[in-house]
Parts: sequence; C-alpha cells; structure tokens
Amino acid sequence: DAGVIQSPRHEVTEMGQEVTLRCKPISGHNSLFWYRQTMMRGLELLIYFNNNVPIDDSGMPEDRFSAKMPNASFSTLKIQPSEPRDSAVYFCASNQNTGELFFGEGSRLTVL
Amino acid sequence: AQSVTQLGSHVSVSEGALVLLRCNYSSSVPPYLFWYVQYPNQGLQLLLKYTSAATLVKGINGFEAEFKKSETSFHLTKPSAHMSDAAEYFCAVSVKTGGGADGLTFGKGTHLIIQP
Repeated sequence: DAGVIQSPRHEVTEMGQEVTLRCKPISGHNSLFWYRQTMMRGLELLIYFNNNVPIDDSGMPEDRFSAKMPNASFSTLKIQPSEPRDSAVYFCASNQNTGELFFGEGSRLTVL
Repeated sequence: AQSVTQLGSHVSVSEGALVLLRCNYSSSVPPYLFWYVQYPNQGLQLLLKYTSAATLVKGINGFEAEFKKSETSFHLTKPSAHMSDAAEYFCAVSVKTGGGADGLTFGKGTHLIIQP
C-alpha cells in the first residue's frame, strides 16, 4: 500500500517567492496533519484537518502560511512570500483516528 | 494542555549495551503515549504506543516502553543496542481517544549514537 506521499522532496527558492508543498494522505484516512521540523524548535504542528475541514490552525506561524484540503486525497501548504526563516522540513501525516500517525518522507525547504 | 519532556538531546551507548531513552509527560487526563523513530532524511515511523491496555508495551526492533503513571514517565528501552538503532527518537502524547482528532504533541527528540 502506498503511504503518505509528499512533493517536492526538496525545494530551494529565493526569498519572496511562493512555495507550494503537496500531500496525498493514505486512502481512507480522515485526518491530515502538517508539521514543521527545525533544529531549534523540533516538530511543530501547524494545522490539521478532519474530514477535509480545518480544525485547528493555531500553529500556523503567520498569515504568509495557508493550507487547503479540497478533497480527501489532496492537501497543500503554501507560503507566500517565503522568507529564510521558513527553511525547514515540512511533514504531512494522516490517520484514521487510531492514534498512530503515518508520516510522509517530508519536503525539505531552503529559502535563500 | 499536554506536553512531553525528553531528557537528554543526545545519548551515546556502546554496541550491545542497554539503551534507555527517557520521556516524561504532562497531561490532565489519561494520555495516549507514543515513541517514533526517525532515520536520516526520512519521515517518522512508529515504534510503539500505549493506549491504556498493558503498561509494558513491546514494539518493533526489540524496543519496549513502560508506562508509569506515578512517575508520569514512558521511558524507551532496548536490552542490546545495534548499530542500526542510531537515529532520532521522539516521544509523543495525545489525550484524545485514539489521538486522531487532535494530532500528537512531540518532545524535542533524542539523538541516539551507537559506539562500535
């Protein structure tokens, strides 16, 4: 079975550019989570969706960040405009209310 | 709100020695507890989870953890370390049924180093 699929795996961009990260959750899972991982702050929950509806976006750093889930099989995390401090690994995870989160392999973002 | 504290950002053990990674949690209600492992350039993989059944939980790769309510701890152990165990380990807590609706709160992680 395919796991959580994220793209791109690596993204290098310049400050001010728009960045879009994509996620395909595991089929049948009804919750989707976006996490950010940095050396300084560890793993931070940015936002999560339940049945495609955003439940809690209190972890989103600022208005430059937005996330959407137009259907059960696709979600995006967008940063516009990007800044160097946004450099991190962004993980998408999904589950079916079983407690265990299934993680993608992450998208490593570098903003120059 | 719940929280997790992992004691020691780096732990170094010799190959064949006991591995002990410490995790303490804070929660106002009975928690669900998890240990995840992250290998370089990969996502997080579940090692084991505690969901109010047996307090001693066995996971993959020979790891186990014991839930101690009186100590608010969920330490991870393995009797004999292997070189392939070198990775980052994360303890996580959730207080929702199954942890699904609210996600997990992670500790800062412990980097396990295995000395040959």
